[in-house]
Amino acid sequence: DAGVIQSPRHEVTEMGQEVTLRCKPISGHDYLFWYRQTMMRGLELLIYFNNNVPIDDSGMPEDRFSAKMPNASFSTLKIQPSEPRDSAVYFCASSYQGQANTGELFFGEGSRLTVL
Amino acid sequence: QKEVEQNSGPLSVPEGAIASLNCTYSDRGSQSFFWYRQYSGKSPELIMSIYSNGDKEDGRFTAQLNKASQYVSLLIRDSQPSDSATYLCAVNWGTGFQKLVFGTGTRLLVSP
Repeated sequence: DAGVIQSPRHEVTEMGQEVTLRCKPISGHDYLFWYRQTMMRGLELLIYFNNNVPIDDSGMPEDRFSAKMPNASFSTLKIQPSEPRDSAVYFCASSYQGQANTGELFFGEGSRLTVL
Repeated sequence: QKEVEQNSGPLSVPEGAIASLNCTYSDRGSQSFFWYRQYSGKSPELIMSIYSNGDKEDGRFTAQLNKASQYVSLLIRDSQPSDSATYLCAVNWGTGFQKLVFGTGTRLLVSP
């Protein structure tokens, strides 16, 4: 059974460019989370969805960041325009109700973003 | 004050020893506590969860929770070099279980 699939695995871009990160959750999971990980700040929750609806986006750093989940099998995180301080590993994770209530999240392999 | 605090380490222990990892949290309303393990360059994976005060054992791992002190720990007995990784403490935030706040992690090094 496939796990959470993220793309691209690595992205190098220049400041000011638009970046789109993609995620396919595990089939049947109804929760989807976007996290960002840096050495200084650790793993930060940006936004999460339940049944494709954004529930909490309080972790989204600013208006340059946006996330969508048009259907149960796909989500995007977009940064426009990108800045060097956005450089981080972005993780997508999914879960279903029972697992979400036990804190078990299934993480994708992450997308490493470098903004020059 | 950070919401979830961990010593960044590294914590170095010899093979076969007990590794003790600690975590404190600031939200007294938190009800669920988790330990995730993250190998270098990989994604986090859940290894332990605990919800009640006291100890919970699973194989070589023991999680300990003290809500009055807002403290949670992870003990790894008979540490193996394969246990070398970063251990992330996570705590649920707010009323739901779904929102997890992670500490920055403690790096554990187990030497042969």
